[in-house]
Amino acid sequence: GIQVEQSPPDLILQEGANSTLRCNFSDSVNNLQWFHQNPWGQLINLFYIPSGTKQNGRLSATTVATERYSLLYISSSQTTDSGVYFCAVERAGSARQLTFGSGTQLTVLP
Amino acid sequence: DTGVSQDPRHKITKRGQNVTFRCDPISEHNRLYWYRQTLGQGPEFLTYFQNEAQLEKSRLLSDRFSAERPKGSFSTLEIQRTEQGDSAMYLCASSRLAGGSGELFFGEGSRLTVL
Repeated sequence: GIQVEQSPPDLILQEGANSTLRCNFSDSVNNLQWFHQNPWGQLINLFYIPSGTKQNGRLSATTVATERYSLLYISSSQTTDSGVYFCAVERAGSARQLTFGSGTQLTVLP
Repeated sequence: DTGVSQDPRHKITKRGQNVTFRCDPISEHNRLYWYRQTLGQGPEFLTYFQNEAQLEKSRLLSDRFSAERPKGSFSTLEIQRTEQGDSAMYLCASSRLAGGSGELFFGEGSRLTVL
């Protein structure tokens, strides 16, 4: 199956700092989504981004499908950004199921 | 609230008991997925339905697990003779096959603890 690697596994920031999270995947993909898992366990959709660049407030994401990676940028981080960020991909030619990376645990300190 | 809803949110049971989880997808979504997430890991695919048909099952879904989606609406996931290793968060998601991007939307999950 497709491999999804996220880095870094853990990240600690001071409030106001910027950060970049990376997701590498091993095969062509139809779908790539970024999620934020809140402390209660719910996966919050951040971006649906199989290719290109999108922005939503302080967050933006870029996927370079030909080079098999995606980046999630968080600017001016806030304590509420803390949590686990997951990248998930749907391999091209497969049924629409997502394979998740192991996540990046982000802690933003006040 | 028009999102994916799951019930119960938490379930504590003794080893050997049966448990059932329910998922109500977003109303216009015809695909429904079940995932399992253990502590410190990303969610892992269990099974999915397109309307009422169960189209794929992961090898993680042992014989003790059964999922149904009667009439292509809500879905249930039953675990028989629970084991301590079944303790996990069970996540349901839905997506729209046609006329949409295929983006998956997840519910809040059902957390199972087997004592």
